[in-house]
Amino acid sequence: SYVLTQPPSVSVAPGKTARITCGGDNIGSKSVHWYQQKPGQAPVLVIYYHNDRPSGIPERFSGSSSGNTATLTISRVEGGDEADYYCQVWDSTNDQPVFGGGTKLTVL
Amino acid sequence: QVQLQESGPGLVKPSDTLSLTCSVSGASISSDYWSWFRQPPGKGLEWVGYVYHSGSTNYNPFLRSRVTISVDTSKNQFSLKLSSVTAADTAVYYCARLNKNWDFFDYWGQGTLVTVSS
Repeated sequence: SYVLTQPPSVSVAPGKTARITCGGDNIGSKSVHWYQQKPGQAPVLVIYYHNDRPSGIPERFSGSSSGNTATLTISRVEGGDEADYYCQVWDSTNDQPVFGGGTKLTVL
Repeated sequence: QVQLQESGPGLVKPSDTLSLTCSVSGASISSDYWSWFRQPPGKGLEWVGYVYHSGSTNYNPFLRSRVTISVDTSKNQFSLKLSSVTAADTAVYYCARLNKNWDFFDYWGQGTLVTVSS
């Protein structure tokens, strides 16, 4: 089955840029989606189809993907961005979603 | 605006069946795919399965033998049943809408904690 690998944690200072990676075999050929989950809350879709943002998601959030790595980039990080972030693709063979293990973003 | 709301018992006894319902507003359950997730305390998201308004389903292979997801179009709701539960099934359970055009989950319920304990 398809596996997505994320670093357990990423730390960044306020105002700086955070990059959260998601590794998977030839992930650049797949549609990658990203979710933000704050403590005690449901996940929220922040990026879909590589680099589209749902309504209400700041432009500071962007996505990219190439080869075996997809990246969620958060520019000008704010304290409110502190959360767990999950990447997701679709396993067409088994017709089911595949999620990364999640990355905890800490704002220093 | 699409809203989802989970409901059901917060405490289930071991070996019993866990039953949850997701009520949908702002969208017709007859036009999309609908999914269940769970998240054990301190752990990541686990997909449980999805249902289409026609009743067709697909389940997580690790849970398939114990899971049933069904839809009630008259009430604009869909439901989850998980049988023979153990403490390992203790989790926050979320319902979500699956956007099948691009295979992502765009609307989520707030989640409900289900504890399996005697």
